Amino acid sequence: SQTIHQWPATLVQPVGSPLSLECTVEGTSNPNLYWYRQAAGRGLQLLFYSVGIGQISSEVPQNLSASRPQDRQFILSSKKLLLSDSGFYLCAWSDAGHQTGELFFGEGSRLTVL
Amino acid sequence: GQNIDQPTEMTATEGAIVQINCTYQTSGFNGLFWYQQHAGEAPTFLSYNVLDGLEEKGRFSSFLSRSKGYSYLLLKELQMKDSASYLCAALDSNYQLIWGAGTKLIIKP
Repeated sequence: SQTIHQWPATLVQPVGSPLSLECTVEGTSNPNLYWYRQAAGRGLQLLFYSVGIGQISSEVPQNLSASRPQDRQFILSSKKLLLSDSGFYLCAWSDAGHQTGELFFGEGSRLTVL
Repeated sequence: GQNIDQPTEMTATEGAIVQINCTYQTSGFNGLFWYQQHAGEAPTFLSYNVLDGLEEKGRFSSFLSRSKGYSYLLLKELQMKDSASYLCAALDSNYQLIWGAGTKLIIKP
């Protein structure tokens, strides 16, 4: 069966510090991968998605970046965090061969920038 | 622009029925999803509709009217564990999901 895991679950970072969130998927090949951010009372905001290794599409201009160094690994990074980067970050995957397929989410990472 | 509207919060009683509405405006349409999200947790899939009509899955049912840009999620025999946020999301012509802000459902005994 397929599983998705992201970490860390919780982190508190000072403004201007770097960020790295990691996500891995097991039990499937060539998944579509996504990073979402969910602010309180707001809908899920798509930050990045990837259809393959090294292929990253950015949906929102910001100080975040994403990388996909391996087929089932997706990393969200920042060189210098802003207060507005606080939120609940969710990694997700979907079946690449099924455009209307459901998203499977990781456990989420709650980031607080102080 | 693309937009999803759903109520911010609803309250219902244990054992009762509740209907959560969602209206959408998207560039093209390839289906509508409902997800459940408990506080502090990730969303989990509930339903997907692409054709008009009602899809029933146990205590949960989802309805779609493409001509009206409207969907609802119907929850029957409410249980305390149904207290959660319910997210509506529409798939646009580029197969990108447009998400609503979610409806927080509070169940009272």
